[in-house]
Amino acid sequence: NAGVTQTPKFRVLKTGQSMTLLCAQDMNHEYMYWYRQDPGMGLRLIHYSVGEGTTAKGEVPDGYNVSRLKKQNFLLGLESAAPSQTSVYFCASDPGLLTDTQYFGPGTRLTVL
Amino acid sequence: AQSVTQPDIHITVSEGASLELRCNYSYGATPYLFWYVQSPGQGLQLLLKYFSGDTLVQGIKGFEAEFKRSQSSFNLRKPSVHWSDAAEYFCAVGAGKPPYDKVIFGPGTSLSVIP
Repeated sequence: NAGVTQTPKFRVLKTGQSMTLLCAQDMNHEYMYWYRQDPGMGLRLIHYSVGEGTTAKGEVPDGYNVSRLKKQNFLLGLESAAPSQTSVYFCASDPGLLTDTQYFGPGTRLTVL
Repeated sequence: AQSVTQPDIHITVSEGASLELRCNYSYGATPYLFWYVQSPGQGLQLLLKYFSGDTLVQGIKGFEAEFKRSQSSFNLRKPSVHWSDAAEYFCAVGAGKPPYDKVIFGPGTSLSVIP
């Protein structure tokens, strides 16, 4: 049971390049989330999904797209990276149970030059 | 508007000393409260959560937190800090059930421990 994994761990992009971050969970969780973490700020929600084939916008969705084609995977895409997207990105999942909580991945550190 | 404040950006304590990390929130409904810890290079790990019932909540690694509705606070405490507790601590507040799309995270408190 690997929990929540993220690929890649680090990435450097040039402005305008595109990339996809992969989040995978092996806990059969219904809900998945993408956050960004910036210095001095808490996590901010980018997009989330409440099930396979569904996505919804969070607090800071602009410049990002997501897809959830398989229940275990949640992809975050940057079509045209900007320096403002330099951040640490965290994926999380949760089973959708009232008494449970979110499980976080280890993060992806992205730098956009 | 919903918000979470953690008044202390950075705290340094000696190993073996007691610890209290402050968290204040603004939330329009019954709050559900969380404390997470983030070790360097790691994701967030849940320490404890308050959903209802006893306002003193026990968590992992010897941590506890007390919900005080009158003060809109959910402070985290540990009686004796270990060097391995050095990390970033986040308080969060949200709705009472998943999805946790409305969870608001505080800016974090960085804890350093002097051996």
